[in-house]
Amino acid sequence: AQSVTQLDSQVPVFEEAPVELRCNYSSSVSVYLFWYVQYPNQGLQLLLKYLSGSTLVKGINGFEAEFNKSQTSFHLRKPSVHISDTAEYFCAVSANTDKLIFGTGTRLQVFP
Amino acid sequence: ETGVTQTPRHLVMGMTNKKSLKCEQHLGHNAMYWYKQSAKKPLELMFVYNFKEQTENNSVPSRFSPECPNSSHLFLHLHTLQPEDSALYLCASSHAAGRDEQYFGPGTRLTVT
Repeated sequence: AQSVTQLDSQVPVFEEAPVELRCNYSSSVSVYLFWYVQYPNQGLQLLLKYLSGSTLVKGINGFEAEFNKSQTSFHLRKPSVHISDTAEYFCAVSANTDKLIFGTGTRLQVFP
Repeated sequence: ETGVTQTPRHLVMGMTNKKSLKCEQHLGHNAMYWYKQSAKKPLELMFVYNFKEQTENNSVPSRFSPECPNSSHLFLHLHTLQPEDSALYLCASSHAAGRDEQYFGPGTRLTVT
């Protein structure tokens, strides 16, 4: 069975500072990995995904993530955050099933 | 209209009421999903439909009844709900069930009184 762990429930950061949101997964088979963002009163929106190939994945809004197979991690990074990045971020994994397994989410709060 | 739409956006219902949530996708996808999102809990997958066939029922109580008349529409029929069923119900779709990325609707905020 697959599982996803998001180690930080909340991450406060000042505007223009870099940020890393951590995600670790467990799976006995190869996986696809995703990061989604949820703004207040909205559904989830795909930020980026890793399917295969290059381990560094670039997404929308200046975010990127790196797949590390040996550490079973898929951390999300942005070099300089903006107030508008304040949202809930979800890591998700998909293996040989017809469903995504989501983490519990990380609340990113950007302060001016 | 594009993407995944959900109606109503907000719903308040009593425990004896019957109501339905509607989801429609305009993306030409073949798989549709219902999720429940409660505060402080992980996103819970409820049902999966692939090519109109239900392929997943994640131990959901029978007071929730899904219906998928075609690949573009998905309903969630609700009856005799409990206060703990209050949550945000999200619909999603993907090209096919499996590893494809999912596109989410804005959700229906349900309050059971």
